[in-house]
Amino acid sequence: DAGVIQSPRHEVTEMGQEVTLRCKPISGHDYLFWYRQTMMRGLELLIYFNNNVPIDDSGMPEDRFSAKMPNASFSTLKIQPSEPRDSAVYFCASSLGGGSGNQPQHFGDGTRLSIL
Amino acid sequence: QKEVEQDPGPLSVPEGAIVSLNCTYSNSAFQYFMWYRQYSRKGPELLMYTYSSGNKEDGRFTAQVDKSSKYISLFIRDSQPSDSATYLCAMSDFGGYQKVTFGIGTKLQVIP
Repeated sequence: DAGVIQSPRHEVTEMGQEVTLRCKPISGHDYLFWYRQTMMRGLELLIYFNNNVPIDDSGMPEDRFSAKMPNASFSTLKIQPSEPRDSAVYFCASSLGGGSGNQPQHFGDGTRLSIL
Repeated sequence: QKEVEQDPGPLSVPEGAIVSLNCTYSNSAFQYFMWYRQYSRKGPELLMYTYSSGNKEDGRFTAQVDKSSKYISLFIRDSQPSDSATYLCAMSDFGGYQKVTFGIGTKLQVIP
């Protein structure tokens, strides 16, 4: 079975540009999560969706970040305008059920974002 | 104080050694305790989980939870170079949606 698919794998862009990260969750999963990982702060939850509906976006750092899930098989995370401090690895994860214990989150391989 | 504390390492051990990885936490509501393994340039993947207190064994891996001390451990016996990765502890409370709180991860290197 295909896992969580993220694109692009790497993105290098200049400060001020719009960045769009994409995610295809595992078919049949009803939860989708966006995380950001840095060496200093580790893995931070940005936002999660349940059945395509955003439930908790309290982790989104500022209004420059937005996320959508137009259907069950696609989600985007957008940063506009981008800043150097947004440089990190962004992960998408999906799960069937709550995402813990015997219903774990399945992660994609991430998008490594560098803002110059 | 962070909800979950984990020493980032790095931890370097010779092949065949017993590895002990640990996390402490402050939220007494946590019920599920998980260990994720993350290889370089890959996403985390669930290694094993336990519910509430006690031990769980899976091959060379043993997870322990001590809720009275708010302390969890992962032991790796007969460590192999293929075990070289970052190990993240993760925890959640019990509920309809279980928000998972991750530790920062410990980077492990097993030297052949």
